[in-house]
Order: sequence, then structure tokens, then C-alpha cells
Amino acid sequence: NAGVTQTPKFQVLKTGQSMTLQCAQDMNHNSMYWYRQDPGMGLRLIYYSASEGTTDKGEVPNGYNVSRLNKREFSLRLESAAPSQTSVYFCASSIRDSSYEQYFGPGTRLTVT
Amino acid sequence: QQQVKQSPQSLIVQKGGIPIINCAYENTAFDYFPWYQQFPGKGPALLIAIRPDVSEKKEGRFTISFNKSAKQFSLHIMDSQPGDSATYFCAASPGGGTSYGKLTFGQGTILTVHP
Repeated sequence: NAGVTQTPKFQVLKTGQSMTLQCAQDMNHNSMYWYRQDPGMGLRLIYYSASEGTTDKGEVPNGYNVSRLNKREFSLRLESAAPSQTSVYFCASSIRDSSYEQYFGPGTRLTVT
Repeated sequence: QQQVKQSPQSLIVQKGGIPIINCAYENTAFDYFPWYQQFPGKGPALLIAIRPDVSEKKEGRFTISFNKSAKQFSLHIMDSQPGDSATYFCAASPGGGTSYGKLTFGQGTILTVHP
């Protein structure tokens, strides 16, 4: 039982490049989330998926897109990376909505130069 | 708009001390208040959570105190240990129901416990 897995662990991009961050969970959870963590800012919600087949914007969605591929997988895409997107990205899942425990992945450290 | 304000940003205590981390919220629709603990290089993990029908919840050495009228809640760590050194985040969410509740995090507190 791996919990929440994320790939890659580290990534360096040049401004304007695109990439997709992958996330998968094996806990049969309905809801999945993408956060970014920046020093002094806590964790900010980028997008979430309340259930398979639905996605919705969080607090900081600009510059990102998501796909809930199936119940297990939720990917985050940066179409044209910018230095302001340098951050640590965390995927999380919960059995139902945000009033239940969220389980976090190990994170992806992204640097955009 | 920062709906959950956390203080202090950093905290240093000696082993055995009782660090206290405070959070204040604005949204009266919040009714689920978790604390997450994060070690360097790891994702956050749920430490303890409270709902507003109680004023205090204790799990081991960790206690949440909740003041609904003041819209404040705090984390106390009894008999702190060097292994408690981590970043702590408070958070808040509306409950379930017809509208989907999203978790809002505080800014985080870096706790260092010296041996």
C-alpha cells in the first residue's frame, strides 16, 4: 500500500517549457488535490477533484491545468512555465471532502529558470 | 485573502518545554480544524483535528484548544522532544454537505526543540 505517489521528485524547467506532474493514490479515495508550498505562504490549493470526472479551481489556478484521468490518478500540467511557478508541489487525497483527513504525497520540487 | 492566520512563524524551545502555536480564522462557516505536521523533505501528515462541538481535544502529548467565540484555536505540545522539531500547519474547512469544503492552511510555524 503505497499511499500517494508523485513523479518526478525534482524537475528543472526553462521559462516557456511545459511539463506534467503525475499523482496516483491506491486508497480508493474519491477526492484529490494539488497544492503548492512556498516559504511563508503555507500550502495553497491549485485545483481539486471532488470525485472522478470532476475538477474545480482552488485559490491559485492561473497557469495550471489538471486532468482526473480515473479514480486513482490526478495530473497537473504547466503549459508554459514561469519563474513564479518555482515551488514545491504536493498532491493529496481524501476519502471524501476536505473535512476528512488528507493524505499527502512526498512532493515535487520544481525550479523554473 | 488569508482566511487563517498562524503565529508565530518560528519557535524555539528546550526539551520538555510546552510550545504553543496559535491560529485565528475569519470564516464562520469553518467547522473542521486540523493540524498537520511536516518534516523536511516530506509531505504534511495529519497530527490532530477538532470540530467546534468541543473546546479541547487531546491525543497523546498534543492538545488542541478551541475558542469558537474568539474564532481562535491553538496547538499545545506537552513535554516537547527534539523529534517534534518540524513545521506545523493549522487549517480550516467548512464541513461536508451540499457545498464542497476546501481546506485553507495557515502560513506554518517552524518548531525547533533543543535537547
